[in-house]
Amino acid sequence: DGGITQSPKYLFRKEGQNVTLSCEQNLNHDAMYWYRQDPGQGLRLIYYSQIVNDFQKGDIAEGYSVSREKKESFPLTVTSAQKNPTAFYLCASSALEQYFGPGTRLTVT
Amino acid sequence: QQQVKQSPQSLIVQKGGIPIINCAYENTAFDYFPWYQQFPGKGPALLIAIRPDVSEKKEGRFTISFNKSAKQFSLHIMDSQPGDSATYFCAASTYNFNKFYFGSGTKLNVKP
Repeated sequence: DGGITQSPKYLFRKEGQNVTLSCEQNLNHDAMYWYRQDPGQGLRLIYYSQIVNDFQKGDIAEGYSVSREKKESFPLTVTSAQKNPTAFYLCASSALEQYFGPGTRLTVT
Repeated sequence: QQQVKQSPQSLIVQKGGIPIINCAYENTAFDYFPWYQQFPGKGPALLIAIRPDVSEKKEGRFTISFNKSAKQFSLHIMDSQPGDSATYFCAASTYNFNKFYFGSGTKLNVKP
């Protein structure tokens, strides 16, 4: 069953804690992306990676970090430096077309 | 500066109507224009996409119209159904697909 998986679906954390969101794909795509979506808003690019061991900052990278040690995996860490971390986080991958995972809703209180 | 501008922000139509969502871009290097459909709490799903070498593409009830000279493209949903109620995003990318630029989204409500 090919696709993009994100886990967990819902995540709750206390303010000041770092949290890592998982993203795995079995589509053999080179490029992977992380987006943030706030209620009623569009998609904002956090980080993207076109190849293993390489990634670039998107439009809102501050307070986030990523790694790309394997082609299949692109985890996102939301650090305590991110001022408003509560949001819906979407992972995507692409070879030509871009496909999205189901998302992780992060709530920080 | 927003690379892709989408309108309207929201749209209400009756069942059977033809909602039209418009997008405009400036960067002439864009050559791939997908549309996504997103239901609440779900990830966006690729609906239909077009390249600038054609002016129209149809897939089922969904049609993209593309005007290269005006740098505009639009999504038409024929015979709209309540199940089409969702948020629709347009996007644009360049040939190497390394980065996608999204519109701000249109929330469509199809009334029974």
